[in-house]
Amino acid sequence: DGGITQSPKYLFRKEGQNVTLSCEQNLNHDAMYWYRQDPGQGLRLIYYSQIVNDFQKGDIAEGYSVSREKKESFPLTVTSAQKNPTAFYLCASSLGTGADYEQYFGPGTRLTVT
Amino acid sequence: AQSVAQPEDQVKVAEGNPLTVKCTYSVSGNPYLFWYVQYPNRGLQFLLKYITGDNLVKGSYGFEAEFNKSQTSFHLKKPSALVSDSALYFCAVRDRPKAAGNKLTFGGGTRVLVKP
Repeated sequence: DGGITQSPKYLFRKEGQNVTLSCEQNLNHDAMYWYRQDPGQGLRLIYYSQIVNDFQKGDIAEGYSVSREKKESFPLTVTSAQKNPTAFYLCASSLGTGADYEQYFGPGTRLTVT
Repeated sequence: AQSVAQPEDQVKVAEGNPLTVKCTYSVSGNPYLFWYVQYPNRGLQFLLKYITGDNLVKGSYGFEAEFNKSQTSFHLKKPSALVSDSALYFCAVRDRPKAAGNKLTFGGGTRVLVKP
């Protein structure tokens, strides 16, 4: 899983609570990404950041928020507005946003909301 | 809009036999194509990519993929599968010119089961 850490590995929350997922990278990568993975649906992009203090919505940003105050950190908050938050969340980074840069993924956080 | 399809949810092969995982794509221009592998409860690991040049791309763990522009395909192959190759495989595409933020579109994944 390269130099990307996500914590915790498993997270349990009650419905109506906000929860923040951690993502840290020591690869000196400029770009970072958050994906959601559901069975049979592949990965869907939630938010991405190309540089510190800047981030953009992905395909399914509703109910999520992010910050990018440091190059190495890109935390994701799952808010109570997210209707189906139970999922496997993957953080990734790439050296830049150049066309041929592959993305490196963290080990993921499995969030269960009941 | 870019899209990618993996037509098989699951592929089963015997150990030692060739393995093929299919991927087709749709983009408005020329594509950048990637293959990733995911083991249970883990993140994705990069296997290989096609950017330009030779249509046959070699990657990690003995995998290779063939880019076929006329068929808009990028099938993943391994000449002799191992039990340890059992995992979930994802194809991803990125359109050219540069899509904002290096956005990748992923297929739904193909589960590979290699039997001893």
